[in-house]
Amino acid sequence: QVQLQESGPGLVKPSETLSLTCTVSGYSISSGSYWGWIRQPPGKGLEWIGSTYYSGSTYYNPSLKRRVTISVDTSKNQFSLKLSSVTAADTAIYYCATDPNIYYFLLWGQGTLVTVSS
Amino acid sequence: EIVLTQSPGTLSLSPGERATLSCRASQSVTSNFLGWYQQKPGQAPRLLIYSASSRAVGIPDRFSGSGSGTDFTLTISRLEPEDFAVYYCQQYETSRITFGQGTRLDIK
Repeated sequence: QVQLQESGPGLVKPSETLSLTCTVSGYSISSGSYWGWIRQPPGKGLEWIGSTYYSGSTYYNPSLKRRVTISVDTSKNQFSLKLSSVTAADTAIYYCATDPNIYYFLLWGQGTLVTVSS
Repeated sequence: EIVLTQSPGTLSLSPGERATLSCRASQSVTSNFLGWYQQKPGQAPRLLIYSASSRAVGIPDRFSGSGSGTDFTLTISRLEPEDFAVYYCQQYETSRITFGQGTRLDIK
């Protein structure tokens, strides 16, 4: 059974870099599939941040592209999100998710709340 | 960027009734790469429908999707108590993904 689990600091200071990791169990990232990050501000809707293929190809939301880096570590069976220069507007629940194709998100992690505050 | 507009914002119905949720795209959705998700409080979204009309594995057949081009519909034929949640549509176009703002389905 494939499972995804987000981890990382729950509190980040303004102007700093938010860093999250998604650990995959029950499936080898290097076997294929697309791996993505989606966020949801409290009480609001969903926003796609970006996706990556196991080989390292990446696709980012144009509105966040200059601040986002998504990478894959096949040795640890993890993929990561870095979002730089954060502000309070980046406060959200951050989800990692996957699908065999890039088009949808079939399987999701439980999500982790990241608050941007001094 | 393709903008997805969902209507209504909130839908109040009773168990056993039929629910019809709409998702309209600002331009034609490539190859009908349109999905629907259900999200309950405190939970991650769950994929219900992909490619506009195909049910994901394990999704009950009371959920159905239809539409093409710019107009898509999610229908729940007979509402069960567990169906009251927020529903989002999502589309894919050339390495870019957007979500609708959501429709809240409330118990009347």
